[in-house]
Amino acid sequence: QKEVEQNSGPLSVPEGAIASLNCTYSDRGSQSFFWYRQYSGKSPELIMSIYSNGDKEDGRFTAQLNKASQYVSLLIRDSQPSDSATYLCAVSDSGGSNYKLTFGKGTLLTVNP
Amino acid sequence: GAGVSQSPRYKVAKRGQDVALRCDPISGHVSLFWYQQALGQGPEFLTYFQNEAQLDKSGLPSDRFFAERPEGSVSTLKIQRTQQEDSAVYLCASSAVENQPQHFGDGTRLSIL
Repeated sequence: QKEVEQNSGPLSVPEGAIASLNCTYSDRGSQSFFWYRQYSGKSPELIMSIYSNGDKEDGRFTAQLNKASQYVSLLIRDSQPSDSATYLCAVSDSGGSNYKLTFGKGTLLTVNP
Repeated sequence: GAGVSQSPRYKVAKRGQDVALRCDPISGHVSLFWYQQALGQGPEFLTYFQNEAQLDKSGLPSDRFFAERPEGSVSTLKIQRTQQEDSAVYLCASSAVENQPQHFGDGTRLSIL
């Protein structure tokens, strides 16, 4: 059973701070990693994708991947109240079913004004 | 439209009734996925289509669940003889090709009384 683990939170940060969200996964052969943001009652929205080790930056968001440690993280700089949401980590399966995503349960982030 | 469209947004049914949920993917997207999301959980994979071919139905919980995509665009997820445990949000996602990021629709919230 492939697993993706996230701290459920809630993670509470003040406005303007850096929010750090972490995710570990069990499938050592996974190649694709995604962060989705989900507001309450809404659908998951793709924030970042990362495929190789290291950092990938997009605006205020930075995704970090370490395949050896089976660890992926998302940093949100200059956090805004509008960033308050659940953040889902998703990892592709290895091998022939690499289209299939396994999601963590999500981390609830609250940014306080 | 520009995004993945799902209907209905909300569906209430009595236990034992059959329901049909519709997904209209992003135009031109080859890959289509169905997920089930229980409250407080991440989405869980149900089934995958590449064009009209259902390549993976390993996540369907029982033989009461059936999905089709006869012309390679719109897909329908059908649940027969619904049970209370079928209550969840059903999400549809599409991607341009198999390993590209998946984009989600707003989901159908199904409640079985």
